[in-house]
Amino acid sequence: GENVEQHPSTLSVQEGDSAVIKCTYSDSASNYFPWYKQELGKRPQLIIDIRSNVGEKKDQRIAVTLNKTAKHFSLHITETQPEDSAVYFCAASAYFGNEKLTFGTGTRLTIIP
Amino acid sequence: DVKVTQSSRYLVKRTGEKVFLECVQDMDHENMFWYRQDPGLGLRLIYFSYDVKMKEKGDIPEGYSVSREKKERFSLILESASTNQTSMYLCASGTGRAQETQYFGPGTRLLVL
Repeated sequence: GENVEQHPSTLSVQEGDSAVIKCTYSDSASNYFPWYKQELGKRPQLIIDIRSNVGEKKDQRIAVTLNKTAKHFSLHITETQPEDSAVYFCAASAYFGNEKLTFGTGTRLTIIP
Repeated sequence: DVKVTQSSRYLVKRTGEKVFLECVQDMDHENMFWYRQDPGLGLRLIYFSYDVKMKEKGDIPEGYSVSREKKERFSLILESASTNQTSMYLCASGTGRAQETQYFGPGTRLLVL
């Protein structure tokens, strides 16, 4: 089955700086890569996703890049703000009709004011 | 607005007890999922269901069973609770179309003594 590794497990950055979280996956059939954000005490929520037919996707201060050859994808957050502090999970899936996701182990991002 | 609810936020049970965790979604979603979340291990899939009365094992099904008698309701059952099942349990639902967003419930924190 699919295996997703995520690094780093914790990350602290100064407010205004950029943060990068990296994930690798094992199943070359995977073609969908979402990122979920979980604020303290709250439920995970989708923040951005990318499909294998594109290499990069942006949404305001958040971007995701995908390298299918190397089987890795990354989340980039620019101009970080205190509300970016949360746990971030990457995930991967290969579509076979029922949306099963394999999640990474999570990155706790702390923004230092 | 999608709503996924779980029957309890906190639950304390004794070893050997039978435990029921219930999840309800109000968006007529085809797919429903049960995950457990543990520090350093991320979100791990226990079971999922893509239709009424249908179920599929996830990555860690041992010690759990599920029931989906109605489309909107997905129950997780611990037949004989053990201390290693102390965890946060998250339910999620999805539309059933290829690789769409999963919507999570608020979670149930289960303590088995």
